Amino acid sequence: AQKITQTQPGMFVQEKEAVTLDCTYDTSDPSYGLFWYKQPSSGEMIFLIYQGSYDQQNATEGRYSLNFQKARKSANLVISASQLGDSAMYFCAMRGMYSGGGADGLTFGKGTHLIIQP
Amino acid sequence: DVKVTQSSRYLVKRTGEKVFLECVQDMDHENMFWYRQDPGLGLRLIYFSYDVKMKEKGDIPEGYSVSREKKERFSLILESASTNQTSMYLCASRAPRVFGELFFGEGSRLTVL
Repeated sequence: AQKITQTQPGMFVQEKEAVTLDCTYDTSDPSYGLFWYKQPSSGEMIFLIYQGSYDQQNATEGRYSLNFQKARKSANLVISASQLGDSAMYFCAMRGMYSGGGADGLTFGKGTHLIIQP
Repeated sequence: DVKVTQSSRYLVKRTGEKVFLECVQDMDHENMFWYRQDPGLGLRLIYFSYDVKMKEKGDIPEGYSVSREKKERFSLILESASTNQTSMYLCASRAPRVFGELFFGEGSRLTVL
């Protein structure tokens, strides 16, 4: 079985500061993928970034980067230079090679509600 | 761009009514999913399908059924809606890579009175 833990239910951050959203995971799969999604108040889930368990480098996508520490089983999302539009729910998710959340689906954490203050 | 379209953004139904939630994707993805999202619980998988007419139960299938008659369309059915099925329902399809990301629709917020 897989499990994703997001320990920060909510966070308040000043605009332009960097933000780190925590995510730890548990899996027995030797190969797995880690994902982050953003969900604004409109409801749509927006894919942000992906990290493979065998990737040598941490993933980056624009202002988003993933701080992947395999030995600690953590996959924290870092948002640089936060903007008001970053206010949203953020979900960490994973899929293992052999035990995905339903035929290649994802197992999700409970989310972190990020609020960027001006 | 991949587009996943859910038929209704907001629905209000009465207890006992039959409810259909429809989802259409335009990228010929084989795998499609229905999740339910509740505050503090994250997303929980209801059902998924990996091909036409194929379906598998997820983590919380009780009270739900699904239909996949065409590859692009995946429907979630509540045979007899109950108040505890008031929730946000999210449909997704999966990109055809080993660790492909899910593409989500905008969600359907269902209220059962």
